[in-house]
Amino acid sequence: GAVVSQHPSWVICKSGTSVKIECRSLDFQATTMFWYRQFPKQSLMLMATSNEGSKATYEQGVEKDKFLINHASLTLSTLTVTSAHPEDSSFYICSARPPGLAGVADTQYFGPGTRLTVL
Amino acid sequence: LAKTTQPISMDSYEGQEVNITCSHNNIATNDYITWYQQFPSQGPRFIIQGYKTKVTNEVASLFIPADRKSSTLSLPRVSLSDTAVYYCLVGAMNTGFQKLVFGTGTRLLVSP
Repeated sequence: GAVVSQHPSWVICKSGTSVKIECRSLDFQATTMFWYRQFPKQSLMLMATSNEGSKATYEQGVEKDKFLINHASLTLSTLTVTSAHPEDSSFYICSARPPGLAGVADTQYFGPGTRLTVL
Repeated sequence: LAKTTQPISMDSYEGQEVNITCSHNNIATNDYITWYQQFPSQGPRFIIQGYKTKVTNEVASLFIPADRKSSTLSLPRVSLSDTAVYYCLVGAMNTGFQKLVFGTGTRLLVSP
């Protein structure tokens, strides 16, 4: 099946610093990738839709200036948490959708996630 | 996007069959039903997807009644490693990108 990777798998940073998380589709090209955030014992919350070659689309309540998304190529999207604070500590997960086939339902494949801890 | 409702949690024992039902009363004609499994500190993993009637793969079966307002994920002979959160989602057929909205999921605990 389609494989999506994330790097790093975990990161610890000081408050006020910026952290970049990479999401890669390893064996397919993805024009669209998605970024989610998940707090302990809670469900995944969609943060934004990352579109290759254009600006990301953010969900309501997500600060676009704080969570910078760059979809520079068909296999790479990055999420940068700027000026991170302890409340940004969470599990960040990306997903990607392989190119679709006519009549085939939409299926997304998820990365393994990145655990961010802000001290 | 159709909203889904699932039980918050379920308990089972090894070797038993587990059925998790999901309600999606507002499912649209073009919507498919997809189930994901998530272990702690991992991304969700695709389990099964269907449109109507019954779908079976090596991991699970998915039962969808004629009105499609609900669906049931069936896990045969569960083991301890099936302890996870299971999410039911509905979304349109491939017409472009489709963002997924996750509900609360069902936390399955399998005991010895």
